[in-house]
Amino acid sequence: EDQVTQSPEALRLQEGESSSLNCSYTVSGLRGLFWYRQDPGKGPEFLFTLYSAGEEKEKERLKATLTKKESFLHITAPKPEDSATYLCAVQMKTSYDKVIFGPGTSLSVIP
Amino acid sequence: EPEVTQTPSHQVTQMGQEVILRCVPISNHLYFYWYRQILGQKVEFLVSFYNNEISEKSEIFDDQFSVERPDGSNFTLKIRSTKLEDSAMYFCASSAAGRGTDTQYFGPGTRLTVL
Repeated sequence: EDQVTQSPEALRLQEGESSSLNCSYTVSGLRGLFWYRQDPGKGPEFLFTLYSAGEEKEKERLKATLTKKESFLHITAPKPEDSATYLCAVQMKTSYDKVIFGPGTSLSVIP
Repeated sequence: EPEVTQTPSHQVTQMGQEVILRCVPISNHLYFYWYRQILGQKVEFLVSFYNNEISEKSEIFDDQFSVERPDGSNFTLKIRSTKLEDSAMYFCASSAAGRGTDTQYFGPGTRLTVL
């Protein structure tokens, strides 16, 4: 069964304390992996798309990496405004458009 | 910056009633999607739509659901006879291309409450 898991479920960081979020996937052929940020009561906001193992993407304090089984979202020197739920989603080669989301990691950055 | 918009932001309805959720995708996008997120749960894919027909649908998207692009700008999700378990946030998304080759941009969502 195609599955996406994320860890940890919740993470509290002090401002400036770097860390990583994990997304593990078990799918029958990966077409693409997506990272989104979701603020409470809002829609997911696109961050990155990764297509192949070894690929890396960066945006401000965020860096996403991809291996054959998992992806990491590295947060360097986070600020309170980085507090949100970070969602990982995958699309399989066996699907036209369907995307499977993980449960998310709720990040809180304390000043 | 172009964005996906959705109306209404909150819809309250009685069980058994029909509801229509509306979305205006980004103007030059060709692929449209509906997702739902039950409170505290994962975002779930419902359906994708391209060239005026359903491209793919999940097992959640049963006969009580339908989608339509009634004009050149709107994309709607209709739930014919709402159930309590339909209470959720419903997100519309659009992309310029499909098949995972392009980013899906999400709207702010409609919170549907079924009483």
